[in-house]
Amino acid sequence: GEDVEQSLFLSVREGDSSVINCTYTDSSSTYLYWYKQEPGAGLQLLTYIFSNMDMKQDQRLTVLLNKKDKHLSLRIADTQTGDSAIYFCAESITGKLIFGQGTTLQVKP
Amino acid sequence: SAVISQKPSRDICQRGTSLTIQCQVDSQVTMMFWYRQQPGQSLTLIATANQGSEATYESGFVIDKFPISRPNLTFSTLTVSNMSPEDSSIYLCSVETGGRSYEQYFGPGTRLTVT
Repeated sequence: GEDVEQSLFLSVREGDSSVINCTYTDSSSTYLYWYKQEPGAGLQLLTYIFSNMDMKQDQRLTVLLNKKDKHLSLRIADTQTGDSAIYFCAESITGKLIFGQGTTLQVKP
Repeated sequence: SAVISQKPSRDICQRGTSLTIQCQVDSQVTMMFWYRQQPGQSLTLIATANQGSEATYESGFVIDKFPISRPNLTFSTLTVSNMSPEDSSIYLCSVETGGRSYEQYFGPGTRLTVT
């Protein structure tokens, strides 16, 4: 079945890199997404990667995809306090998004 | 990208009543989706709403409880019927911009509390 898993919590110091990991089970997913949710707010699309790519970089964000292991990661370089939020990975299957549980990123000054 | 608005942003309702949530997009889109986010939880897809056809519901969600309308390519409504406290959640609509882009954008959500 379709399942997406993430670790629930990550704490880093300001200026360090953050790496948030995600695993998924459905090999038919076409796109994989990362969303950010700040308290009381909606979901902000951060980036996405097509399933035939293995890396995508966008400013401070780097997405790595290991399709063989069905593993997705999001690296945030030079993490700032404003990056504190919940980060969701999601896989797209015929347009439907299947979400992980979300990883709470805590950035300590 | 797409700019999505939802109304109302939040509401407190009594059990047994119904609430209709509106979702408006600033451009024409083919695919619209409705999700639910229960307190402290992740998002779960309720249904896919495509213009000109009946909504397609996910397992565990039924049309009688969550009727959906999609009258045109920029607008959709979700009704939460005969509410109970278990329906207290954030309800979000999303759109896929389509074409050569597979970006999916979310509205700000409607925070529903049922007492």
